[in-house]
Amino acid sequence: NAGVTQTPKFQVLKTGQSMTLQCAQDMNHEYMSWYRQDPGMGLRLIHYSVGAGITDQGEVPNGYNVSRSTTEDFPLRLLSAAPSQTSVYFCASSLGRTAFYNSPLHFGNGTRLTVT
Amino acid sequence: AQSVAQPEDQVNVAEGNPLTVKCTYSVSGNPYLFWYVQYPNRGLQFLLKYITGDNLVKGSYGFEAEFNKSQTSFHLKKPSALVSDSALYFCAVRSNSGGYQKVTFGTGTKLQVIP
Repeated sequence: NAGVTQTPKFQVLKTGQSMTLQCAQDMNHEYMSWYRQDPGMGLRLIHYSVGAGITDQGEVPNGYNVSRSTTEDFPLRLLSAAPSQTSVYFCASSLGRTAFYNSPLHFGNGTRLTVT
Repeated sequence: AQSVAQPEDQVNVAEGNPLTVKCTYSVSGNPYLFWYVQYPNRGLQFLLKYITGDNLVKGSYGFEAEFNKSQTSFHLKKPSALVSDSALYFCAVRSNSGGYQKVTFGTGTKLQVIP
């Protein structure tokens, strides 16, 4: 059972370039989310989705887009990369609806992004 | 808005001694509290959770946590620390208030167990 798979593991971008971080889960989880982890700031929620076709913004959504066309996939798009987006990005999923509140998040192993 | 505070950036403890990693929270509505551990270059892994019921909850690898409603705290504990427990620990909260489904994390506490 693969769980949550993130690709790529590492990426270097130049300012202004765009890219998509991939996230896939095979646990049939309704809830999926993207976090960024920065030193001293913990994990900050970028976007989340409670099911296919439904997305919403988290704490730090600016500069990022998401879509959820299937239950399994939740890609994160950087529209025009900036040095401030240098970070480690984590995708996480869990059961949704009423099960959401007592269901732990399952995390991928992260994507380390550097923007120069 | 919900929030989580982990007041200690780092906790050092000798191997074999008890350890405590502190967490306080603020939510509207009922709190659903979680602890996660992160090893280097890995994603977070679930340790334990408090939903309702007994204030002392037990989790993976011998860890436990004590929920204190009056102090709005959910401290992580272990009776005897191992060197392999050295990692980054995160407290997280969910709330059923407002109908939104967001998880808020603390800033993390680095646990260093000294041989």
